[in-house]
Amino acid sequence: AQSVTQLGSHVSVSEGALVLLRCNYSSSVPPYLFWYVQYPNQGLQLLLKYTSAATLVKGINGFEAEFKKSETSFHLTKPSAHMSDAAEYFCAVTMRGGSQGNLIFGKGTKLSVKP
Amino acid sequence: EAGVAQSPRYKIIEKRQSVAFWCNPISGHATLYWYQQILGQGPKLLIQFQNNGVVDDSQLPKDRFSAERLKGVDSTLKIQPAKLEDSAVYLCASSLGQGSGTQYFGPGTRLLVL
Repeated sequence: AQSVTQLGSHVSVSEGALVLLRCNYSSSVPPYLFWYVQYPNQGLQLLLKYTSAATLVKGINGFEAEFKKSETSFHLTKPSAHMSDAAEYFCAVTMRGGSQGNLIFGKGTKLSVKP
Repeated sequence: EAGVAQSPRYKIIEKRQSVAFWCNPISGHATLYWYQQILGQGPKLLIQFQNNGVVDDSQLPKDRFSAERLKGVDSTLKIQPAKLEDSAVYLCASSLGQGSGTQYFGPGTRLLVL
């Protein structure tokens, strides 16, 4: 079975500071991993995804994530936070090569950015 | 390119009433998903369609929830009768295919059951 654990339900950073949102996964087979962002009263928007090529994945809005198999982690980072980054972020996993493709989501991390 | 459309955006009903949600996926997307997102949690898959066939409905509470995608395009999710614990955001997503295809989400329908 697959699962995702996001450490920290709420992270607060100052504008311009490093953003680090943690995600650990559990999967019996090689996974595909995703980060989605959700702004208030909106659906989820894909930030980036890992599907087996480069382990460092670059996404939109300056975000990137690194797949570390030995640590079963896929942490999301951004060098410098902007006020517009305040939102909820979800890590998700699906089974590579699976016939279904449904996403298993973590509980989410709400990011606050202080001026 | 138009995104995934959902309606209504908000719905308030009393327990034991019925409610229906509608989703129109991105044109050409064969796979359609319905997720339930309870406050403070990540989305949970309710049902997945491939064209007009059900691929996975293992987490759909079939005694009260039903969904259809008759012509393989838009879809309807129904709850009858609703319970208090059904209060959540119902998200529809679509993708070109299954597997690693990126899923595109609609804005969701926020349901409050009183």
